[in-house]
Amino acid sequence: NAGVTQTPKFRVLKTGQSMTLLCAQDMNHEYMYWYRQDPGMGLRLIHYSVGEGTTAKGEVPDGYNVSRLKKQNFLLGLESAAPSQTSVYFCASRLAGMSTDTQYFGPGTRLTVL
Amino acid sequence: AQSVTQLGSHVSVSEGALVLLRCNYSSSVPPYLFWYVQYPNQGLQLLLKYTSAATLVKGINGFEAEFKKSETSFHLTKPSAHMSDAAEYFCAVVTGGGNKLTFGTGTQLKVEL
Repeated sequence: NAGVTQTPKFRVLKTGQSMTLLCAQDMNHEYMYWYRQDPGMGLRLIHYSVGEGTTAKGEVPDGYNVSRLKKQNFLLGLESAAPSQTSVYFCASRLAGMSTDTQYFGPGTRLTVL
Repeated sequence: AQSVTQLGSHVSVSEGALVLLRCNYSSSVPPYLFWYVQYPNQGLQLLLKYTSAATLVKGINGFEAEFKKSETSFHLTKPSAHMSDAAEYFCAVVTGGGNKLTFGTGTQLKVEL
């Protein structure tokens, strides 16, 4: 099992450009999450999904959109990138049901917006 | 809203010394709590979690944490630090009706010879 994978690993964008980050999991998990990590701020939840075809806003959703068309994939889109979106983005997935189920994390995508 | 506070953004210990990383929670109901570790340039990895089954929880790599309701704490400890323990450690609490985790701001652990 590859677990949770993220594509790409690094990306540099110019202000106003758009891009999509892909998260894939092969563990048949129902729940998937997108976080951003910034120095001194821990991880903050952007959007999440509790199943195929469903999405919900997290703590910092502005400027991002998501889609969960397939159970194994969760896409994070930036429509018009801004320097404030420079961050490390992590995807995670969780089995379902039990709130004590572990979230498994991908290796991260480092995004720089110039 | 449920939240966690990690006291000390940076902690430095000598190799072989006790590691103590602090986490206090704020919750009106019994919380479910997690500790994750992040090694440089990697994703987060679960160390241990409190699910109310036992107040003393043992995790990987010799770490353990004790849930203390009277102190609203879930501090992470390891009796003897190793150089390989150098990493960032995050405490997290289940929120959002059980669907989400809210993370603390993290503690960077440095281990010196």
